[in-house]
Amino acid sequence: DAKTTQPNSMESNEEEPVHLPCNHSTISGTDYIHWYRQLPSQGPEYVIHGLTSNVNNRMASLAIAEDRKSSTLILHRATLRDAAVYYCILRDLFGGTSYGKLTFGQGTILTVHP
Amino acid sequence: DAEITQSPRHKITETGRQVTLACHQTWNHNNMFWYRQDLGHGLRLIHYSYGVQDTNKGEVSDGYSVSRSNTEDLPLTLESAASSQTSVYFCASSEQGTDTQYFGPGTRLTVL
Repeated sequence: DAKTTQPNSMESNEEEPVHLPCNHSTISGTDYIHWYRQLPSQGPEYVIHGLTSNVNNRMASLAIAEDRKSSTLILHRATLRDAAVYYCILRDLFGGTSYGKLTFGQGTILTVHP
Repeated sequence: DAEITQSPRHKITETGRQVTLACHQTWNHNNMFWYRQDLGHGLRLIHYSYGVQDTNKGEVSDGYSVSRSNTEDLPLTLESAASSQTSVYFCASSEQGTDTQYFGPGTRLTVL
């Protein structure tokens, strides 16, 4: 799987938008971009994923650069409950030998201040 | 509601003992996974299964085994626990053909 690069940590204030970046310069044309987050003392949870177009769901938005070499997870109004480690993961559409498996990096630790 | 559960949530054992961690999901997912999480290493894949009677080794499988006798369960066995296996263990499942995984709450294992 192609490699992703994320900042180690970011900080935000409650009620403000948060933009979490992810660089994936070696992304292939069939790689989906997935985001998971892990709240303290919990298992990871799926946030969002996309291929080329920007995506929105009830949790967040995913903005994908036109060249697909980077993406940004957007939390529109951060709450204290959004404090977590956020992981950006690439997954090949066709899976191959790595079908179904997720490779987690170190992620970005998001701190939300009241 | 469908869910994925792990038991026990906390376990303390001694070096050399056999330990089995349970994972049960009610989504009827074909794919199941076991990860361990340690400080400085993130989540690493131990074993995974794409269906009944199917098991595969992941990145860090030495000292661990799994068996899949039904769709709902994928127990993880530490044949002879070692202090290096002190960790938090997460089980996950996903529907066949998708990458969206649903994780359990984790089991914190301490090997003394």
